[in-house]
Amino acid sequence: IVLSQSPGILSLSPGERATLSCRASQSVSSNYLAWYQQKPGQAPRLLIYGASSRATDIPDRFSGSGSGTDFTLTISRLEPEDFAVYYCQQYGSSPWTFGQGTKVEIK
Amino acid sequence: VQQVESGGGLVQPGGSLRLSCGVSGFTVSSNYMSWVRQAPGKGLEWVSLIFGGGDTYYADSVKGRFTISRDNSKNTVYLQMDSLRAEDTAVYYCARHRYGLGFFDSWGQGTLVIVSS
Repeated sequence: IVLSQSPGILSLSPGERATLSCRASQSVSSNYLAWYQQKPGQAPRLLIYGASSRATDIPDRFSGSGSGTDFTLTISRLEPEDFAVYYCQQYGSSPWTFGQGTKVEIK
Repeated sequence: VQQVESGGGLVQPGGSLRLSCGVSGFTVSSNYMSWVRQAPGKGLEWVSLIFGGGDTYYADSVKGRFTISRDNSKNTVYLQMDSLRAEDTAVYYCARHRYGLGFFDSWGQGTLVIVSS
């Protein structure tokens, strides 16, 4: 399954709302879709799994939604530490695949 | 919960390298463990998985060249990489699966492999 993320770059200011999209080339089984955050020089960090379940210790400003082929990660109010690259990943079909990433940068 | 990768470095095309992932805070034999790689400036690519029962699974891009294994006594997972190619150049992360599913809830810091002459 090919995952396409949009936009490639999102330029926003702290306090603004961020909406990131992940579209799958075919339906993701059981909505097995995860989101990760990655900062420069660091490993990815799990944010969301099962399309909408927050991982441990993830702030509630992060939320995931969607089903089938269209998924969304929303950051309700951007904090300075949220500027990073975000990846979606499907794990409903093998091989597990990742999107190409969306960079959220400071405007 | 922590994973620490090691073993990366510079290797010539056609050469071999073995990566290690030392684990603390959980037992590798009770978890699914994968290697995920990231080429410089690029996205993430799942590479290989070892199930709790020991079965293994590989991406087509590395099948027949890479071998994942583990040593339960050392609580360590390995990735033996043979017949390396320039396109294998990447940071290699060791990652733990959660709930026996295909997403990753714990990642190591990664080890860089450069394949170049």
